[in-house]
Amino acid sequence: GENVEQHPSTLSVQEGDSAVIKCTYSDSASNYFPWYKQELGKGPQLIIDIRSNVGEKKDQRIAVTLNKTAKHFSLHITETQPEDSAVYFCAAVLSGYSTLTFGKGTMLLVSP
Amino acid sequence: EAQVTQNPRYLITVTGKKLTVTCSQNMNHEYMSWYRQDPGLGLRQIYYSMNVEVTDKGDVPEGYKVSRKEKRNFPLILESPSPNQTSLYFCASSPDQETQYFGPGTRLLVL
Repeated sequence: GENVEQHPSTLSVQEGDSAVIKCTYSDSASNYFPWYKQELGKGPQLIIDIRSNVGEKKDQRIAVTLNKTAKHFSLHITETQPEDSAVYFCAAVLSGYSTLTFGKGTMLLVSP
Repeated sequence: EAQVTQNPRYLITVTGKKLTVTCSQNMNHEYMSWYRQDPGLGLRQIYYSMNVEVTDKGDVPEGYKVSRKEKRNFPLILESPSPNQTSLYFCASSPDQETQYFGPGTRLLVL
């Protein structure tokens, strides 16, 4: 089955800095890669996703890049704000054939 | 409002006392799942359902049961809870087995 590794497990940045979270996956057939944000006391919420036919996707201050050859994808947050503080999860799946496999999560702390 | 609801939100019980955590979604999604979240282990899938009366095991199904008699409901049953099932549980629904809409979570403590 799929295995997703996520790094780092914790990340502290100053407000305004950029943050990068990286994930690697094991199944080269996986073709859908979402990122979820989990705020304290809440369930995870989808913030951005990318499919295997695209190398990069951007939505305002967040972007995701995918390197299929190396089997890794990354979440980039620019101009971080305190409200970006949360746990972020990456995931991978082969659409229509399996269910999502999540990474172990990254706790991001943005200090004012 | 489109949402996934879970009840109860918090539960303290004792070893061996059967319990059920309910999950309901109002988005007419076919797919529903249960996850448990533990420190350092992330989100692990317990069971999932692709439609009414169709369920399958996820990565950590031991000690759990589910049923899907109606499209909107997907209860999680612990017939004989043990302390190692102390965890934070999330129900999720999806229209396409990709985008997951998570409930608010149920924090369970088994003594």
